[in-house]
Amino acid sequence: ETGVTQSPTHLIKTRGQQVTLRCSSQSGHNTVSWYQQALGQGPQFIFQYYREEENGRGNFPPRFSGLQFPNYSSELNVNALELDDSALYLCASSSNLAVGTQYFGPGTRLTVL
Amino acid sequence: QQQVKQSPQSLIVQKGGISIINCAYENTAFDYFPWYQQFPGKGPALLIAIRPDVSEKKEGRFTISFNKSAKQFSLHIMDSQPGDSATYFCAASSPIQGAQKLVFGQGTRLTINP
Repeated sequence: ETGVTQSPTHLIKTRGQQVTLRCSSQSGHNTVSWYQQALGQGPQFIFQYYREEENGRGNFPPRFSGLQFPNYSSELNVNALELDDSALYLCASSSNLAVGTQYFGPGTRLTVL
Repeated sequence: QQQVKQSPQSLIVQKGGISIINCAYENTAFDYFPWYQQFPGKGPALLIAIRPDVSEKKEGRFTISFNKSAKQFSLHIMDSQPGDSATYFCAASSPIQGAQKLVFGQGTRLTINP
């Protein structure tokens, strides 16, 4: 059984650019959630995907968007990057039978200059 | 009302001692309360979790105590070891639209002195 994997590990972008982060869910899990963790803070919920559709969103602007694929992997896209978008982006997978039990990947560290 | 308040912000415990981290919440719709352990540069790892119909859950050296009427829950780490030094987050699961999102506390940086 493989855990949650994310790519890339680190990324440096400049303000105004666009970025795509990727996540592969844990084997047997069909639900993916994305979180943003600023330095020294707890993770903040961005959105959740189930059956390739967004089924819940936190307090993030529309320039944060996502996709889920038939194999349950997922992408997080962020357009028009701002300096405050610098953070650790975490993907968590879960089963729709126990969606509260979420297992996190190692994260992607995004730095916006 | 969606907040989870965690204390203390940092904690230093001697090896072999008991580490206690506390959390409080307001939203009675929360239905699942996990604790996560995070090492620097890593993602949070699920440590132990509890549902509100149970007052205590123990797994090895880790125990969650849950007080539904006070809307508080805590993590106790018995016989704390230097390898337990990490940041600990409490969380609460909340239904939002069709999803279940986790609302996290601010974290506690735990240091176990040898």
